[in-house]
Amino acid sequence: GAVVSQHPSWVICKSGTSVKIECRSLDFQATTMFWYRQFPKQSLMLMATSNEGSKATYEQGVEKDKFLINHASLTLSTLTVTSAHPEDSSFYICSASTQSTNEKLFFGSGTQLSVL
Amino acid sequence: AQTVTQSQPEMSVQEAETVTLSCTYDTSESDYYLFWYKQPPSRQMILVIRQEAYKQQNATENRFSVNFQKAAKSFSLKISDSQLGDAAMYFCAYRRGYGNKLVFGAGTILRVKS
Repeated sequence: GAVVSQHPSWVICKSGTSVKIECRSLDFQATTMFWYRQFPKQSLMLMATSNEGSKATYEQGVEKDKFLINHASLTLSTLTVTSAHPEDSSFYICSASTQSTNEKLFFGSGTQLSVL
Repeated sequence: AQTVTQSQPEMSVQEAETVTLSCTYDTSESDYYLFWYKQPPSRQMILVIRQEAYKQQNATENRFSVNFQKAAKSFSLKISDSQLGDAAMYFCAYRRGYGNKLVFGAGTILRVKS
C-alpha cells in the first residue's frame, strides 16, 4: 500500500524557535495534503489543506503566518511552526490524497512537538 | 457545515465478545464517504472500514462491519470476536467527496478486557 513518511517523529525545541515538519508520499503523487493537529485524547482538527503549487487553505482560527505550509512538489509538503510557544505543543499529523478515480487517503505517523 | 458526533467517550468489551460503536453525522450532501479509523497507542491512523453513501450494502472487513442508515444519518461500527489488539481510540469520519477533507468525530476509546 501507499506510504506517507512524516519526519521528525518527535521534536523538542525552545520557545521562540521555528520547527519544520516534513510529509512525503513515497510511492504516489499526492495532489492534496492535509495537516491536522491533535491534543491528548482528543480528535484530529484540520489545520489546513494544501494543493501542489498553490497556497494552502487554512481553517478558521488557524494563523497562517504562524503555521507555514509549503507544497512545492507532488511528493512533499512541509509545515513550519514559526516562533513556537508552549501552547503549540501538540501532535501534528499529515495525510496525503492520491489523484485517481478510486481516491484514497493515507496518513503519516505523526510528529510530537514539545516547546519548552 | 458537516459534523460528526460520537456520543460514547469510552466503551469496554470482553475479549471474544461483540461491541458496537455509534456515530451520527449531519450533511446536506447526497454523495459522500464515511470511515472508521483506529488510532492505537502508537498514534498511527489506521483505516478500519469505508462506506460510500451511494451503496446500500453495508461494508464489511473481516470482523468489522458497519450499519449504515442513510436516512437516519447513522453509521455504527460493529466489532465481532473482539481481540486485545482492538483496544484503541476509534474515530468516525466523513468526507464530502474526492479531494475533500476528512471531518472527524470526537472519538471513542475502546478497552478490551481479557
